[in-house]
Amino acid sequence: EAQVTQNPRYLITVTGKKLTVTCSQNMNHEYMSWYRQDPGLGLRQIYYSMNVEVTDKGDVPEGYKVSRKEKRNFPLILESPSPNQTSLYFCASSTIAGVEQYFGPGTRLTVT
Amino acid sequence: GESVGLHLPTLSVQEGDNSIINCAYSNSASDYFIWYKQESGKGPQFIIDIRSNMDKRQGQRVTVLLNKTVKHLSLQIAATQPGDSAVYFCAEKRGLERGAQKLVFGQGTRLTINP
Repeated sequence: EAQVTQNPRYLITVTGKKLTVTCSQNMNHEYMSWYRQDPGLGLRQIYYSMNVEVTDKGDVPEGYKVSRKEKRNFPLILESPSPNQTSLYFCASSTIAGVEQYFGPGTRLTVT
Repeated sequence: GESVGLHLPTLSVQEGDNSIINCAYSNSASDYFIWYKQESGKGPQFIIDIRSNMDKRQGQRVTVLLNKTVKHLSLQIAATQPGDSAVYFCAEKRGLERGAQKLVFGQGTRLTINP
């Protein structure tokens, strides 16, 4: 089954404790992206990657890092999480020219 | 600034009726407009898209209309069913440098189907 998976699905952590949210897709897509979803603000792009070792900032990259060492994986790293990063995070993938992005199930992060 | 927004945050319709969800956009440079459906506890799911040089596109029980004159996008769902209850997002796909793309989402409309 074609899918995007994220782990963990739920995470509660404390300010300053480094964490990583993993994302993996099995569709051989070149393009992957991270979004955060907040009430009243919709989905906003954090980072995206067009292929292995190619990443770029989205609209709200501050406080986040990403890496793309393998085509199927695109982890999101929070080096020093803060409460304003409490949000629902989605990973998505698509072909390079594709209109349809496939989204993962989401990771709900709470930073206290 | 650039934005993709929705006229109404909530919409309730009777099961079997048609639903119309509206969206206004401000950036004319997008090459595609897309509708996503997000059910509770799940990620957004692609419904249908329309290229910027088209006015109308039909899918299975859904129709998207694009009016570039007034920068308005709508999603029509025919004969709504309980499974149509969800939040619906419009989004613009914009091309960036080096072939990259960007999706800009509206804030969403929650559609509730009454039995």
